[in-house]
Amino acid sequence: AQSVTQLGSHVSVSEGALVLLRCNYSSSVPPYLFWYVQYPNQGLQLLLKYTSAATLVKGINGFEAEFKKSETSFHLTKPSAHMSDAAEYFCAVRRGNQFYFGTGTSLTVIP
Amino acid sequence: EAGVVQSPRYKIIEKKQPVAFWCNPISGHNTLYWYLQNLGQGPELLIRYENEEAVDDSQLPKDRFSAERLKGVDSTLKIQPAELGDSAVYLCASSQNARGRGSIGELFFGEGSRLTVL
Repeated sequence: AQSVTQLGSHVSVSEGALVLLRCNYSSSVPPYLFWYVQYPNQGLQLLLKYTSAATLVKGINGFEAEFKKSETSFHLTKPSAHMSDAAEYFCAVRRGNQFYFGTGTSLTVIP
Repeated sequence: EAGVVQSPRYKIIEKKQPVAFWCNPISGHNTLYWYLQNLGQGPELLIRYENEEAVDDSQLPKDRFSAERLKGVDSTLKIQPAELGDSAVYLCASSQNARGRGSIGELFFGEGSRLTVL
């Protein structure tokens, strides 16, 4: 079965520090991969997507993610955290018209 | 371009009462999804429509939940009767089937309808 694992349900970083949110997928064939962000009381917003065109994907708000087939990973990074980055982040994989979401990582940014 | 619109944003009802949620997807998006999101969890699929046809409703609790998508555009999700455990956020999302212009059918979500059952 298709699944996504997000390591760390809560991550805290200082403002200006590196953000690293981990995502691993289970699939023998590289799928379509996504990162979504959810701010309080809002829906999910697409941050970036992997389509196999390039292993390093740049998204909105300075985020990027690197697809590593050998590690079946798609970790999300941002060089310098901003207070406005505090939110819930979800990794997702698509197979056909089925989407599978991870359980989410809550990012806290400490001033 | 308008995004996915959902209403109501918030609903508080007593158990055993009925409730309905409405969703208007992005114009031109053939596929519409209803997801359930419990606190601290990722979205879980309830039902997926391709145009007006429900093509995946295996996770929809059919004893109390129903959905429809008339004319393949707007959709409603109904719960009757509601139970305490139904308290959650109900998310609607849409995607387009056609590939190209950078689209791979990614999901676009509405802001959700938060249901509280007392």
